Amino acid sequence: EPEVTQTPSHQVTQMGQEVILRCVPISNHLYFYWYRQILGQKVEFLVSFYNNEISEKSEIFDDQFSVERPDGSNFTLKIRSTKLEDSAMYFCASSEDSPNGYTFGSGTRLTVV
Amino acid sequence: SQQGEEDPQALSIQEGENATMNCSYKTSINNLQWYRQNSGRGLVHLILIRSNEREKHSGRLRVTLDTSKKSSSLLITASRAADTASYFCATPRGKLIFGQGTTLQVKP
Repeated sequence: EPEVTQTPSHQVTQMGQEVILRCVPISNHLYFYWYRQILGQKVEFLVSFYNNEISEKSEIFDDQFSVERPDGSNFTLKIRSTKLEDSAMYFCASSEDSPNGYTFGSGTRLTVV
Repeated sequence: SQQGEEDPQALSIQEGENATMNCSYKTSINNLQWYRQNSGRGLVHLILIRSNEREKHSGRLRVTLDTSKKSSSLLITASRAADTASYFCATPRGKLIFGQGTTLQVKP
């Protein structure tokens, strides 16, 4: 069964450093998403991406965050200057046809120290 | 606005028993989706029920949807220890909006 692949599975970074989280969505999917889940809290929407541009973003997704689809397969989330409160699980998801059939990756656990 | 709030927040049952989780939402939807998350892992899509459906089955899962009450329920029959996980309902509005989830513990 097709999968959404996320790398790395766990990343530890120093506060103020830049991190890039990588995702390979399912190849025929058109809609891409990033979500995050702070430990013990609900899964929160960050950003959606369609047709090579951001289609929607949440209040969380401020100027510190950016997304890119640098080639035909990867979808990245960059955090420019990490803060302690950015520590969370970050999930990538893709769907062929929003709003149906989302597939999530297994997540990247980001720990900012 | 909040969408997809589940209750109970936590549920503990014995293996073999049925588990029922409920979800309420606030605005109109065209479908509602249930996901499972094992501790520290990714989200797994379980089942999608469309707004014109009242009930849907998938294996040991049974989902109902009452659009007049803006609520849905997920029933897991004959539960197993492997069903221990957090369960979320989510409604798509372009993006998925998740509730807090129900943490289910199935004791062997």
